[in-house]
Amino acid sequence: KQEVTQIPAALSVPEGENLVLNCSFTDSAIYNLQWFRQDPGKGLTSLLLIQSSQREQTSGRLNASLDKSSGRSTLYIAASQPGDSATYLCAVSLMFSGGYNKLIFGAGTRLAVHP
Amino acid sequence: DTAVSQTPKYLVTQMGNDKSIKCEQNLGHDTMYWYKQDSKKFLKIMFSYNNKELIINETVPNRFSPKSPDKAHLNLHINSLELGDSAVYFCASSQGTGDYEKLFFGSGTQLSVL
Repeated sequence: KQEVTQIPAALSVPEGENLVLNCSFTDSAIYNLQWFRQDPGKGLTSLLLIQSSQREQTSGRLNASLDKSSGRSTLYIAASQPGDSATYLCAVSLMFSGGYNKLIFGAGTRLAVHP
Repeated sequence: DTAVSQTPKYLVTQMGNDKSIKCEQNLGHDTMYWYKQDSKKFLKIMFSYNNKELIINETVPNRFSPKSPDKAHLNLHINSLELGDSAVYFCASSQGTGDYEKLFFGSGTQLSVL
């Protein structure tokens, strides 16, 4: 059974710091790994998607890496800003019969960036 | 111009009632999902439809019945609501089911069963 764990559960940092959020998963047979952002009272926004054959993806100040063999992914946020405050969710995609896939989510890391 | 919209945003109801949550996407996607986020903030998939056909049905009580009248809509009907059904329910969609497909989420429906 695939389990996704995110560490730390919560993080509070001053503005300008570089951050690393960690995600680990128990079964390396994943289809892809996605990082999402969730703001209070709102839905999830997809930040980065790393296909199983890829090692990393970058978007602006965000960089996500994937090491399938060790079951780990990291989300690196450069020069954090107060607007980055949100919950960050990691999810792995598993394939099942019929070629379809489903996402298994971690519990998230609550990030607070203060001025 | 909301991509994935679900209504209502809040739903407060008594135990035993029947209620529905509606979801619509204007992205032209083929696949839609319902996820449940419990009090511990874990998101778990409930159902997935691809071109109006059910492709994922997790271990969900049969009091929950999804309906997809067309590929732009996926509604969730819940019969005989129980206290444990209180959660935030998210609708989502994706173009297909390939390994490059991103999911687009609605803003959620917070269901409170009293």
